[in-house]
Amino acid sequence: DSGVTQTPKHLITATGQRVTLRCSPRSGDLSVYWYQQSLDQGLQFLIQYYNGEERAKGNILERFSAQQFPDLHSELNLSSLELGDSALYFCASSVSQQGYEQYFGPGTRLTVT
Amino acid sequence: GDSVTQMEGPVTLSEEACLTINCTYTATGYPSLFWYVQYPGEGLQLLLKATKADDKGSNKGFEATYRKETTSFHLEKGSVQVSDSAVYFCAGRAGGSYIPTFGRGTSLIVHP
Repeated sequence: DSGVTQTPKHLITATGQRVTLRCSPRSGDLSVYWYQQSLDQGLQFLIQYYNGEERAKGNILERFSAQQFPDLHSELNLSSLELGDSALYFCASSVSQQGYEQYFGPGTRLTVT
Repeated sequence: GDSVTQMEGPVTLSEEACLTINCTYTATGYPSLFWYVQYPGEGLQLLLKATKADDKGSNKGFEATYRKETTSFHLEKGSVQVSDSAVYFCAGRAGGSYIPTFGRGTSLIVHP
């Protein structure tokens, strides 16, 4: 158990809908990272927050957004969902913004039908 | 940009066989290098790491040595077990970046 929690574990929704994925980092970790894992793209970095502020952005679509709240939990919002958004979404956390060691949550499996 | 190249899988071995999964990293400068493991249905776990040339990371019988001249970080284990069946990801993080670059992952299947 990494100490990072993600909810829900599974999510099935229809195209065009909007969903919110939630992540709670390990106790004491200030950085949160979001990744998308799909069979064709592998593990893709989406976005990083550190202590409530956006720190780095990767291959995140404009339909996706994220935020980190004062209690350090983070939410990833996915809107206007398409079939191709079906994937595993991982959250990871680290103590520092440099992300020297990242601890991954169990992931949320999103299926868009 | 930075890139990580690791051997494609699946790698299929019998129990007690030797394992090598190749990984090379292309970057400006000398990155820190990592191996993560993902067991079925779980998130990635840090397996081992090396932060500078000639460092050897080791954990759970796995080893990897950071070879500066080739920027390689091949994962090795002398005797694999069925419980080692998982996907292994090589990753590197250059000094100026907050974000590691991950390889595509190599699936390891160990048969009894």
